[in-house]
Amino acid sequence: GAVVSQHPSWVICKSGTSVKIECRSLDFQATTMFWYRQFPKQSLMLMATSNEGSKATYEQGVEKDKFLINHASLTLSTLTVTSAHPEDSSFYICSAREGHMNTEAFFGQGTRLTVV
Amino acid sequence: AQTVTQSQPEMSVQEAETVTLSCTYDTSESDYYLFWYKQPPSRQMILVIRQEAYKQQNATENRFSVNFQKAAKSFSLKISDSQLGDAAMYFCAYNEYGNKLVFGAGTILRVKS
Repeated sequence: GAVVSQHPSWVICKSGTSVKIECRSLDFQATTMFWYRQFPKQSLMLMATSNEGSKATYEQGVEKDKFLINHASLTLSTLTVTSAHPEDSSFYICSAREGHMNTEAFFGQGTRLTVV
Repeated sequence: AQTVTQSQPEMSVQEAETVTLSCTYDTSESDYYLFWYKQPPSRQMILVIRQEAYKQQNATENRFSVNFQKAAKSFSLKISDSQLGDAAMYFCAYNEYGNKLVFGAGTILRVKS
């Protein structure tokens, strides 16, 4: 299957700083990318959907100024957690889909963010 | 809005035996897709099996098979000959053509040796 690479796998940052997570589709053009947040032993919570070249669509309750999403190319989307606080500590997962009407999405390996 | 319900927070199975994980969903659509994903301790999401709603035949992938009951909006996963490597969290998911995935809460599967 298609490969989605997410980087970094884990990151520790100080409270008040920003951190960027990258999501790359390695062997296909990702027309749509999704960003999820997952707490331990819980389901994936969709944060936002981004289509290449347009603004991300955020789910209700997700602060768009806090979680900046950029999908500037067909192979790269980034999630920037701005002014991070300990409550932002979580596991973040991206997934990517080729084409607007395809149903199968491929997942990155996730990023564990710890804010101290 | 579409919802996906997994009523079993945890399940256990003896190695080599069979286990069934339950999933129900709610939708008013007639065309959609259903998936089972596996998330092992590495937390990498792995697609286990997928079912198109317009297909009456239940999908199978080696030891994994589904029981898709469209009228009842039920989509259970059967794992035969369970192996230690099957231990993971399993998510049932629903998708409409071109839209986002809707996940259930997940079921933790433990495999006993």
